[in-house]
Amino acid sequence: RKEVEQDPGPFNVPEGATVAFNCTYSNSASQSFFWYRQDCRKEPKLLMSVYSSGNEDGRFTAQLNRASQYISLLIRDSKLSDSATYLCVVNMDFGNEKLTFGTGTRLTIIP
Amino acid sequence: NAGVTQTPKFQVLKTGQSMTLQCAQDMNHEYMSWYRQDPGMGLRLIHYSVGAGITDQGEVPNGYNVSRSTTEDFPLRLLSAAPSQTSVYFCATVDSIYGYTFGSGTRLTVV
Repeated sequence: RKEVEQDPGPFNVPEGATVAFNCTYSNSASQSFFWYRQDCRKEPKLLMSVYSSGNEDGRFTAQLNRASQYISLLIRDSKLSDSATYLCVVNMDFGNEKLTFGTGTRLTIIP
Repeated sequence: NAGVTQTPKFQVLKTGQSMTLQCAQDMNHEYMSWYRQDPGMGLRLIHYSVGAGITDQGEVPNGYNVSRSTTEDFPLRLLSAAPSQTSVYFCATVDSIYGYTFGSGTRLTVV
């Protein structure tokens, strides 16, 4: 089993729709969780951190379910500019900064 | 404020050649790391450093060397390039507020 697992997609979603991604992680002791966005041929950039209480940033909502060991990302009212690959990222090693990356979920928003 | 600067952006090597990928940061961050990204594999940690003079191996260190003589610079050396090292390489720093900041990447092809 991969340490961080994501559905690779691709997800092809019409503009204005709502789309959700899930990501599972294997280490129950994992401490920190993030969603990163990566545009084609670019570096990953932090989209949002994921907190136990859930968090929202505009059209984006992230949730953490520790019991089932998954995190989710919800994008509402999707825009063409949301087309990208979304990386699920977990810090499994408490006390240092090493991150484990999922392979990414590719999202394409269709006009 | 340039953030994290990687050079070169593109490189083609012949099997057996050696080269150094440069990474420089101007954010005064202690933690720096090198990742490689391959299709379907996600980002994998090669080496990391928690401060000047301190380095450690990540998940896929074989064939690579690093050193950290200053806070600003963290070069990655390929000792004898192999086709399996064809990849996109990202350097990153991290701090507690902004998380990971990646360089723009180096696309390496080994023929």
